[in-house]
Order: sequence, then C-alpha cells, then structure tokens
Amino acid sequence: DTAVSQTPKYLVTQMGNDKSIKCEQNLGHDTMYWYKQDSKKFLKIMFSYNNKELIINETVPNRFSPKSPDKAHLNLHINSLELGDSAVYFCASSLKSVETQYFGPGTRLLVL
Amino acid sequence: EDKVVQSPLSLVVHEGDTVTLNCSYEVTNFRSLLWYKQEKKAPTFLFMLTSSGIEKKSGRLSSILDKKELFSILNITATQTGDSAIYLCAVNRLTGANNLFFGTGTRLTVIP
Repeated sequence: DTAVSQTPKYLVTQMGNDKSIKCEQNLGHDTMYWYKQDSKKFLKIMFSYNNKELIINETVPNRFSPKSPDKAHLNLHINSLELGDSAVYFCASSLKSVETQYFGPGTRLLVL
Repeated sequence: EDKVVQSPLSLVVHEGDTVTLNCSYEVTNFRSLLWYKQEKKAPTFLFMLTSSGIEKKSGRLSSILDKKELFSILNITATQTGDSAIYLCAVNRLTGANNLFFGTGTRLTVIP
C-alpha cells in the first residue's frame, strides 16, 4: 500500500498553461506539505497545511495555490506556468507539524 | 539567516569502506534534525535526532547530534552499492513555513 501518492508522475506542458498535481496520503496524518526540488536537488518547502492552518512560504509566487478537499488530500494548482517552474514537486505528510515527514514519489514537471 | 550545510557535496568510495557525512546548522527555534536518503525518487526517512550525544543506529547506519557545536554526522560502515544515493539533512524548526529546512545534500557513490 502506498502511504503518500502523487499523480501524475510526469507532466509535460506548455508555458502559460494551468495544471494541477494531486496528492493523497492514507497514513491518517493531519499535516501535509508541498516541496519543490530544483535541478541541483535542493528541496524547499512551499506550503504546509493542516485542517486549521495554511502556512505559505513567502517566496512562493501566488500562481501556486494548494487546495485541500479533505484531510487526506492536498492538491497543488499552478496557474500560468513558466519555464522556471520545471522541477520535481514532492508532497509529504506528518502526524503533526513537528513530526517526521513521509514523502510521496514526486511529480516531475517540465514546462516547454 | 537560517542555514543547513552538508559536506562533502559528493563522495566516491569503494564497497566496504566506511563513510562519514557531515551536517552543520544555524537555525532559530531548533527542534530536531532529520536524515533522509534519496535514491531515484522520494526521500526516505532514516533518523530523527533531538538530543545531544545519543547515537541512533539502524544496521550499518548510525547518527549523532551535537547541539552545542550545532552539527550532526551520519556514519555508514561496510558500504554497499545500494548505499549510493543523495543523503539529505534537514532541521525541524518550531515555527514558520519552513518548518523542515533542508541542506543541499551529499551525493554518495559506492563503486564495486
């Protein structure tokens, strides 16, 4: 059973398009995250979210928006994609915001 | 400015060697330090360290934290080719969006 899953695994799209990446966790965790990993393998937090609070990294453009239909899902919607958005996006979850985070397999986004 | 610095950036060793990976940090509101292993896909959790001087061990891997000198080491003994990966150090902070702040990683390559 996959603990944290993401779809799609790969996403190739044109500049200017809007796309979404989905994340689901079946661990019963209450906090979920989105990270961006660039070509140099540097992982950077974008959002953390539980059912009470969304915390946004202030460096993330407002073209990125997390959407959580329920506690087990945190989707990432990206408007007006740019070349610099090309990266691997990882979803993660933890039982509480301070506990160990478990990562999904990643979504490799390529913007042409 | 908060930072997590890992060294070396990359390392090539032969099977059977012992390696030590370093992680130093300067962060406000430190809570814990985590080590992850990243092969082709998602980072997988190795250790979480919260107290100084207490070694955590899992098979051939062990890690220790020094909260006075602000660093941690990850040791791998009798390395195998399957240990080849990027090893990520991350610091968990008490507050803020970047509550898991990653270093840039150490790329370990184990050759037969």
